[in-house]
Formats: sequence, structure tokens, C-alpha cells
Amino acid sequence: NAGVTQTPKFQVLKTGQSMTLQCAQDMNHEYMSWYRQDPGMGLRLIHYSVGAGITDQGEVPNGYNVSRSTTEDFPLRLLSAAPSQTSVYFCASSGGPGDITGELFFGEGSRLTVL
Amino acid sequence: GESVGLHLPTLSVQEGDNSIINCAYSNSASDYFIWYKQESGKGPQFIIDIRSNMDKRQGQRVTVLLNKTVKHLSLQIAATQPGDSAVYFCARMTTDSWGKLQFGAGTQVVVTP
Repeated sequence: NAGVTQTPKFQVLKTGQSMTLQCAQDMNHEYMSWYRQDPGMGLRLIHYSVGAGITDQGEVPNGYNVSRSTTEDFPLRLLSAAPSQTSVYFCASSGGPGDITGELFFGEGSRLTVL
Repeated sequence: GESVGLHLPTLSVQEGDNSIINCAYSNSASDYFIWYKQESGKGPQFIIDIRSNMDKRQGQRVTVLLNKTVKHLSLQIAATQPGDSAVYFCARMTTDSWGKLQFGAGTQVVVTP
């Protein structure tokens, strides 16, 4: 059981380049989300989705796009990378409010550096 | 605005002692408070959660206490082990915003022999 899988684990970009961080989960979870983690800080929500075809903005959405065409996948797109987007990105998934716990399952992270 | 914050950035604990990590929150409408452990280079790992209608919940070697009167949350780790060295985050979530966690800044727990 793979859980939440993120790729790539490491990426270096130049300012203005675009890229997509991939996230896939095999737990049939409805809820998926992207967070970024900066040094000395907790995770901050970028975008999230409550199901295929439904996405919404989180706390820090600027500079990022998402789509949810399938239950399993939730890619995060950087259209024009900026140095301020240098961070570690985590994808997470969870079941719905009817589940026993409020546990979110996190991937191992994608470390992005923008030069 | 709403926030979840931690009292101490670093907690040094001797192996075998109990650890207590504290967290304050500003909005009592939260339905869930959740503790996560993050080891270096890894994603956050769920430890335990507690609903806002509970005061205490126990897991394996961990206990979470929720004091709604003073809006305070704590995580107690019994008989702390070297493998408990990590950053611990408290987070909150509501049924209206399910799947959207609001995290505190984290407490670094260092276990010394």
C-alpha cells in the first residue's frame, strides 16, 4: 500500500520556469490538499480538493494552480516560478468527516529550489 | 484571526522522562485538534487527535489533553525514547473545513541519553 506518493523529491528551477509537482494516492480518499513548509514554520495550505472536479484555494494560493480530474491525482502547477516559492511541498489526503479520525496522510515531500 | 500556536520552540528531554508539548488556540469552534510528528526529511505523521467535545484521549505512550476553558492543548509522551526526537505540530480542523489543517509552528523535541 503506497499511500501518498509525490514526485519529484527534489527539483531546481530558474526564475520564470514552469513545472508540475505530482501527487497520487491509492486510498480512495476524497479530500486532497497541498501544503508548503518554510524553515521554522508550520505547514501552510495552498490548495485543496474535496473530490474530482472540485478545488478551492487555501491560505497561500498565489502562483499555484491545481486540478483534480481523478480521485487519485492532484497535481500542483507552478506557472512562472519565483524565488519566494523555494520551499518543501507536501501533498496530503484524507477520508471525509464521516471517518473515525481526522487523520491526513502526507507524502514524503518535494523540495523545490528556485534560483 | 484564528490561530494555533505553540509555547516553546525547543524541548530537551532526558531519555525515559515524560515529555509535555503545549499548544494554544484562539477559536473554540474547532472540531478536531490533531498532533503530528515530523522527522527530519520526512512528511508529517499522525500521532493522535481529539474532538472538541472531549477532554482527554490516550494512545500508545501518548495522551492528549484539551482544556477548552483556557483554550490549551497538550501532548504528553510517556517514557520518551530517542526515536521520539522530532518536530511536533498541533493542528486544527473543523467539519466545515474538513481536510484543511491549520498548523502551529512546531516544537523541536530533543531526547538526550
